[in-house]
Amino acid sequence: AQSVTQPDIHITVSEGASLELRCNYSYGATPYLFWYVQSPGQGLQLLLKYFSGDTLVQGIKGFEAEFKRSQSSFNLRKPSVHWSDAAEYFCAATREYGNKLVFGAGTILRVKS
Amino acid sequence: DTEVTQTPKHLVMGMTNKKSLKCEQHMGHRAMYWYKQKAKKPPELMFVYSYEKLSINESVPSRFSPECPNSSLLNLHLHALQPEDSALYLCASSHRTGANTEAFFGQGTRLTVV
Repeated sequence: AQSVTQPDIHITVSEGASLELRCNYSYGATPYLFWYVQSPGQGLQLLLKYFSGDTLVQGIKGFEAEFKRSQSSFNLRKPSVHWSDAAEYFCAATREYGNKLVFGAGTILRVKS
Repeated sequence: DTEVTQTPKHLVMGMTNKKSLKCEQHMGHRAMYWYKQKAKKPPELMFVYSYEKLSINESVPSRFSPECPNSSLLNLHLHALQPEDSALYLCASSHRTGANTEAFFGQGTRLTVV
């Protein structure tokens, strides 16, 4: 079955420290991949996407993600975290008509000052 | 304008009520979606509309009735809901329903069924 796994439920980092959120996918063929961010009680904002081509993709708010086919991974990174980055982050994938997004369980990021 | 607007932001309804959730986008997108997100869970797809026609229903109970009156509007009609239907309902849109197109989400409607 198609699935997206985010192994870390919670991550706490210090402000100014680097961040990496992990995402692994299980699909028959390479899916299209996305990272979304959600603040409490809010909708989802698209951070970045990977469809094809360069495996290092840049997104908004200083985020980037690297697609690694050999590891079936699409990890999200940020070199220096700001307190405003505290939110829940969802990795998502789709590979079928209808653009049905399959989401990982989410990772809650806490930023300590 | 990359906004998807959902109204109302909050809704409390009784189990015998009929209410509707509304979603609007003016990005010229021809695909629109309803997702349901329970507390501390990821969003789950409910319905997909493509060119104003329902193309996917993820086995959603009939007490949820979607409607797409035109390419900019998407409604979700609610009737005889149960308390377990309380959730954040998210609307999204995309340029088309092909897989290589990103979906833009609204802020959601927080629904509480009492």
